Amino acid sequence: DTGVSQDPRHKITKRGQNVTFRCDPISEHNRLYWYRQTLGQGPEFLTYFQNEAQLEKSRLLSDRFSAERPKGSFSTLEIQRTEQGDSAMYLCASSRRDEQFFGPGTRLTVL
Amino acid sequence: QQQVKQSPQSLIVQKGGISIINCAYENTAFDYFPWYQQFPGKGPALLIAIRPDVSEKKEGRFTISFNKSAKQFSLHIMDSQPGDSATYFCAATDTGNQFYFGTGTSLTVIP
Repeated sequence: DTGVSQDPRHKITKRGQNVTFRCDPISEHNRLYWYRQTLGQGPEFLTYFQNEAQLEKSRLLSDRFSAERPKGSFSTLEIQRTEQGDSAMYLCASSRRDEQFFGPGTRLTVL
Repeated sequence: QQQVKQSPQSLIVQKGGISIINCAYENTAFDYFPWYQQFPGKGPALLIAIRPDVSEKKEGRFTISFNKSAKQFSLHIMDSQPGDSATYFCAATDTGNQFYFGTGTSLTVIP
């Protein structure tokens, strides 16, 4: 399978815990995006990488969120001290130009 | 502030009918307008996209109509099928660094 993969697919955690999600983009794609999607809403932009450089970060992204893309390959999104409001689907997308290809997402539930 | 406004929120169409979903934007710097289809539990999948230099783009049963002066674009699904039942999102970007999504339209095609 050469699509975008995300791991884990589901994560249940208790409030206050830290969680980390991984995204493996399509191999030749230098652009990588993270989004958050809540029920009944469109994907909300979180951050953007071009190769290993983080070029855009949403103003809505609190300092509890951090993302990395070492060596311009896979990316991780970490949420520290999770809150119930962080419960959402976290989507990763990659592209070479404008056409984004999305992964299946990681469903986070914070209890 | 919603950068891209989408309507209707939900749509019910008879099999064989035409489904029409509309989006409007304010930022005249936007230069790429994709439409995505999302099934429950899956990530969005790119359907079709358009740039402002053309007024219409057709791919199979899917057509985008673009009105630059009105800052509006719409998705038309011809000969709608029950398999088209999904949520549809419009989006827009200027630099490709950040995409802005509409709030989605839940389409139900009745057999």
